[in-house]
Amino acid sequence: QQQVKQSPQSLIVQKGGISIINCAYENTAFDYFPWYQQFPGKGPALLIAIRPDVSEKKEGRFTISFNKSAKQFSLHIMDSQPGDSATYFCAASRGSGRRALTFGSGTRLQVQP
Amino acid sequence: GAGVSQTPSNKVTEKGKYVELRCDPISGHTALYWYRQSLGQGPEFLIYFQGTGAADDSGLPNDRFFAVRPEGSVSTLKIQRTERGDSAVYLCASSLGHQSNIQYFGAGTRLSVL
Repeated sequence: QQQVKQSPQSLIVQKGGISIINCAYENTAFDYFPWYQQFPGKGPALLIAIRPDVSEKKEGRFTISFNKSAKQFSLHIMDSQPGDSATYFCAASRGSGRRALTFGSGTRLQVQP
Repeated sequence: GAGVSQTPSNKVTEKGKYVELRCDPISGHTALYWYRQSLGQGPEFLIYFQGTGAADDSGLPNDRFFAVRPEGSVSTLKIQRTERGDSAVYLCASSLGHQSNIQYFGAGTRLSVL
């Protein structure tokens, strides 16, 4: 059972554009929603995370939008740069993140110069 | 080291063999997680330790998989009678446990079962 569904599978954006990645979850017990960035040959690294008591969180060029009623959340990357080219994973967890993470299937982002 | 260290970085084995994968967490991190990442997929949870004990092993796919963390630091993931379907990147993550929810990942061990 895929508890976190992520789309699109791949995304090509021009430098300076906005990258948008969407995720939907099923388990209403989830209370922590991080986004991870992974470069080839490396482990995932935390980018930004949100809890369901807020609808938006912004850190630099990265913003998470969260819709609790729709059970959906998204990552927006503003002013996308070639260095942002990587695979992005949404995830969800119970216990405020102090439990196992359930990951989406990933989005491969390519930012063209 | 400063980050989570996993050894070996690559492991090639034959079907039916036994393998051990090692994880050195960040110093002071009490929580340790194992995940498995198949090609083109997101990491899939295997087991989670809080200290020396397995707090959640619900992700282990079958009894061929076993993990230990005897002293609450280094952990070893053990796979018996390996199958070709076990081929994947095995990721380890650690966190400060109750004090933090940020999981820091190692680069993983790429296991290839021939």
